[in-house]
Amino acid sequence: GAGVSQSPSNKVTEKGKDVELRCDPISGHTALYWYRQSLGQGLEFLIYFQGNSAPDKSGLPSDRFSAERTGGSVSTLTIQRTQQEDSAVYLCASSYDRGQETQYFGPGTRLLVL
Amino acid sequence: GENVEQHPSTLSVQEGDSAVIKCTYSDSASNYFPWYKQELGKRPQLIIDIRSNVGEKKDQRIAVTLNKTAKHFSLHITETQPEDSAVYFCAARFGNEKLTFGTGTRLTIIP
Repeated sequence: GAGVSQSPSNKVTEKGKDVELRCDPISGHTALYWYRQSLGQGLEFLIYFQGNSAPDKSGLPSDRFSAERTGGSVSTLTIQRTQQEDSAVYLCASSYDRGQETQYFGPGTRLLVL
Repeated sequence: GENVEQHPSTLSVQEGDSAVIKCTYSDSASNYFPWYKQELGKRPQLIIDIRSNVGEKKDQRIAVTLNKTAKHFSLHITETQPEDSAVYFCAARFGNEKLTFGTGTRLTIIP
């Protein structure tokens, strides 16, 4: 079946512009994560959605970052007033909990802020 | 919240030798411990996982061991091959709380 998809695959933007990154999780997956990965670095947790529970936003680095998940499916990560340090690969992952906890990652969106 | 430490950050081993990567976690309630492999330019993928009711799990050349008392778990790769070169991430989780990843280990297999 279809895996996790993300769009766009690449995004180049100018400093100060807003960007929206989209994640389509695997159908039926209740959990959805956003991570940021700078070149050669680890997985920086950003936000976690689990079913109808309030999201865990503890990883968002500043109030310029926000995310929503509509209808328990598609998620959008928004970065306002982008800065050069926001340049990274943004990875989305989803999982179907209740004993099947494997996280399936999307291909990522490579964001470059000039 | 959970905190996961991973060591070493880089590891080079001769092809055919074994590699061991270790992680410690802080939350004694954590009960799920997966390992992910990320090849260069690709997305992370699950390679093996273990739950807290099991002390060891094997899958061909890969094994994971868990010591709940000491709160640490390890990935063991035997008879390493060039395709094992990648970054490996451990993680820990309790229930439906978020999965917490370690900082990663860059494994290089020397031909």
